[in-house]
Amino acid sequence: ELKVEQNPLFLSMQEGKNYTIYCNYSTTSDRLYWYRQDPGKSLESLFVLLSNGAVKQEGRLMASLDTKARLSTLHITAAVHDLSATYFCAVDKPNAGGTSYGKLTFGQGTILTVHP
Amino acid sequence: DARVTQTPRHKVTEMGQEVTMRCQPILGHNTVFWYRQTMMQGLELLAYFRNRAPLDDSGMPKDRFSAEMPDATLATLKIQPSEPRDSAVYFCASGSGGAGGYTFGSGTRLTVV
Repeated sequence: ELKVEQNPLFLSMQEGKNYTIYCNYSTTSDRLYWYRQDPGKSLESLFVLLSNGAVKQEGRLMASLDTKARLSTLHITAAVHDLSATYFCAVDKPNAGGTSYGKLTFGQGTILTVHP
Repeated sequence: DARVTQTPRHKVTEMGQEVTMRCQPILGHNTVFWYRQTMMQGLELLAYFRNRAPLDDSGMPKDRFSAEMPDATLATLKIQPSEPRDSAVYFCASGSGGAGGYTFGSGTRLTVV
């Protein structure tokens, strides 16, 4: 059974600081997604990582994927209050033959709070 | 922007009643998911469909839950009979994988009293 673990689960940051959220997973996959969820809202897609070494950046957020280490990171640069939310990674596990995807398993989520 | 539409947004019902949640996926997406989110369990996959065919519903309590996709524009999740422990937010998501990823609906917040 695929396990996806995020670390840390709670992150309190000062504005202007940098930090990294880690997402480890237990079985082979080369597709990983990052989502943001604001309180009481739905999940908003942030990044789609589809191969080993993939790196995507949007504003103050940058995500990367290392399929050999089964690790993805979400790096926050110079945090601002608007980034406060819960961040989820989700691993897309292929079927036994590796020909079909679409079964997403989510991490526990990282609750990020950015304060002055 | 194309969106996944879920109805109802909120539902309060009494224990033992039947609950039906509906989802209209984005046109052209071939994969549809149902997830349940609670504080204790996080996001749990209940069922998912590919080209309307059920691929996996192992996360769903079979005795009371059922998921169907009668046509490409509608997915349903039914609970009968409902129990207080079913109280949660139920999300539908659709996508075709790859660079497009998967898009989530706004969710149905279910409260069973």
